Amino acid sequence: DAGVIQSPRHEVTEMGQEVTLRCKPISGHDYLFWYRQTMMRGLELLIYFNNNVPIDDSGMPEDRFSAKMPNASFSTLKIQPSEPRDSAVYFCASSSLPSGGYTFGSGTRLTVV
Amino acid sequence: AQSVAQPEDQVNVAEGNPLTVKCTYSVSGNPYLFWYVQYPNRGLQFLLKYITGDNLVKGSYGFEAEFNKSQTSFHLKKPSALVSDSALYFCAVSRGGFQKLVFGTGTRLLVSP
Repeated sequence: DAGVIQSPRHEVTEMGQEVTLRCKPISGHDYLFWYRQTMMRGLELLIYFNNNVPIDDSGMPEDRFSAKMPNASFSTLKIQPSEPRDSAVYFCASSSLPSGGYTFGSGTRLTVV
Repeated sequence: AQSVAQPEDQVNVAEGNPLTVKCTYSVSGNPYLFWYVQYPNRGLQFLLKYITGDNLVKGSYGFEAEFNKSQTSFHLKKPSALVSDSALYFCAVSRGGFQKLVFGTGTRLLVSP
């Protein structure tokens, strides 16, 4: 298996633009997580899905952020409009019971200028 | 709600010496405990986990961790550090049977030659 695949690896965009981050989880994993990592706040859980259904989105910072999982092999995290404070590394991870451990993607480094 | 504390921002150790990275947790019910490592510009990689059973858990790259229920701790250890162990280490906890992992703030390990 190729692991969790995220795209793009790097994204630089101007303030106000829409940004879409993509994730392909490991086949057979029924949980998918989106995390954001910054120096100031560390790793923050934004949202997670189980069997393509959002379970907990309490970490989504505001309405500018949205996430979807239209099928078991694909998820998106969208920011519209983007702001400089959204600059961070965004990680996707997937897992399956009963192990409980996550497999992380390599992340998307987002810079909003 | 669960939480994790990593009291040290950085741990410095000389190559060949034993290392310990500290972690304490708070969770209702049975904890699932994890350690992850992050190298620069990479995603988090799974090191080891405790679900149940023997309190001493062995993981990847010669690392081990000891679960101590009375002290609510799960310290990461290695008998002999390598320069290549230098990285950012994260402790994480979930409530048994639930998938939501909460991460600590991370501890940077620096192993000097």
